[in-house]
Amino acid sequence: KAGVTQTPRYLIKTRGQQVTLSCSPISGHRSVSWYQQTPGQGLQFLFEYFSETQRNKGNFPGRFSGRQFSNSRSEMNVSTLELGDSALYLCASSFGFAGGALETQYFGPGTRLLVL
Amino acid sequence: GQQLNQSPQSMFIQEGEDVSMNCTSSSIFNTWLWYKQDPGEGPVLLIALYKAGELTSNGRLTAQFGITRKDSFLNISASIPSDVGIYFCAGPIIQGAQKLVFGQGTRLTINP
Repeated sequence: KAGVTQTPRYLIKTRGQQVTLSCSPISGHRSVSWYQQTPGQGLQFLFEYFSETQRNKGNFPGRFSGRQFSNSRSEMNVSTLELGDSALYLCASSFGFAGGALETQYFGPGTRLLVL
Repeated sequence: GQQLNQSPQSMFIQEGEDVSMNCTSSSIFNTWLWYKQDPGEGPVLLIALYKAGELTSNGRLTAQFGITRKDSFLNISASIPSDVGIYFCAGPIIQGAQKLVFGQGTRLTINP
């Protein structure tokens, strides 16, 4: 079955702009999590969506937001971009059954964002 | 917040050598995960550990869940060129939640 897909794969923006990244989970998966990966901070959890609702949130400013659609596809948006937002943004999907044990998350290849 | 300290940060070895890396936490974890990330790709789950003292293998990879529940180890035996990559340990910030905290990673380089 097809894996997690993320679009676009690469993106260049300038400071102050906003950006929207897209993630399509594996078919049947209802949970989508987003992570930011930078050389300095490593992999950090942004948020998780399940059934169109944000279920968990990391410690990022409000400029980072997301949403999930009824088909489980998810988007994340970063407004008023800063140089420090340059990173690889990864999404991961899982079945996400509420209250269940930690499930295997399958990561997409990521979107590499460069802010100039 | 919870942090995972992973060491070493990088390793340079000869093909055929064994590799060991570890991860420690100031907090107790009930699940330990080990991922590998290849260039241009997202992390791929290698081994999941769910019980203190558990020893689990996946081919040439063996991982252990420390008895204190504050550490985990990953060993790779007889390394081959395709083992090159970055290895991460991870655990759930909240038990049962799809919210992971990751170690800083161990970058493995192999000289043929």
